[in-house]
Amino acid sequence: DAKTTHPPSMDCAEGRAANLPCNHSTISGNEYVYWYRQSHSQGPQYIIHGLKNNETNEMASLIITEDRKSSTLILPHATLRDTAVYYCILSGGSSNTGKLIFGQGTTLQVKP
Amino acid sequence: GAVVSQHPSRVICKSGTSVKIECRSLDFQATTMFWYRQFPKKSLMLMATSNEGSKATYEQGVEKDKFLINHASLTLSTLTVTSAHPEDSSFYICSAPEGAYGYTFGSGTRLTVV
Repeated sequence: DAKTTHPPSMDCAEGRAANLPCNHSTISGNEYVYWYRQSHSQGPQYIIHGLKNNETNEMASLIITEDRKSSTLILPHATLRDTAVYYCILSGGSSNTGKLIFGQGTTLQVKP
Repeated sequence: GAVVSQHPSRVICKSGTSVKIECRSLDFQATTMFWYRQFPKKSLMLMATSNEGSKATYEQGVEKDKFLINHASLTLSTLTVTSAHPEDSSFYICSAPEGAYGYTFGSGTRLTVV
């Protein structure tokens, strides 16, 4: 079973920041938080990942709470092309099987 | 970044026939690949893990004889849907672990069995 939960859907206005929350209260010591997104009829695309510290790359920022029980993916200036299903996934750690188990994800709709 | 090439992107086959889906890691070696299937408006469901040089590991409820997986080399894994039926129609996706980005996914194969 997936170890993460997030809201099923969110809307965001084009040009505004999209903040996607994720809860992972049972995260274990060395598990990383990964974010992927999937557009219609395509394979998931890597966005960003982190362990403890906040991370930023050309696509997004990842804010991880100090207790690591939740995180937020931030798309600073959402565009229509950012409309997709976003998945927050835990991977790694002492029980690492290498598998990525997907939850239901958050459908982000960016509106003009 | 790393690329996993998946073919075909779409396939239509008749009931009772078999269909092979290929995934190749283009610029890195993948000793492990993961196969998923996805129904419309649903999340990805892990089917099996393919391991180069050994038997695949299937998730609970996935029929080994229905979904044959072969990991022939460090860059190629194949999924064969045998004796396909309409209920096997789905979107199939492969992925491989790749250090910098965690996991890289293929673009998916839309299988329609008629």
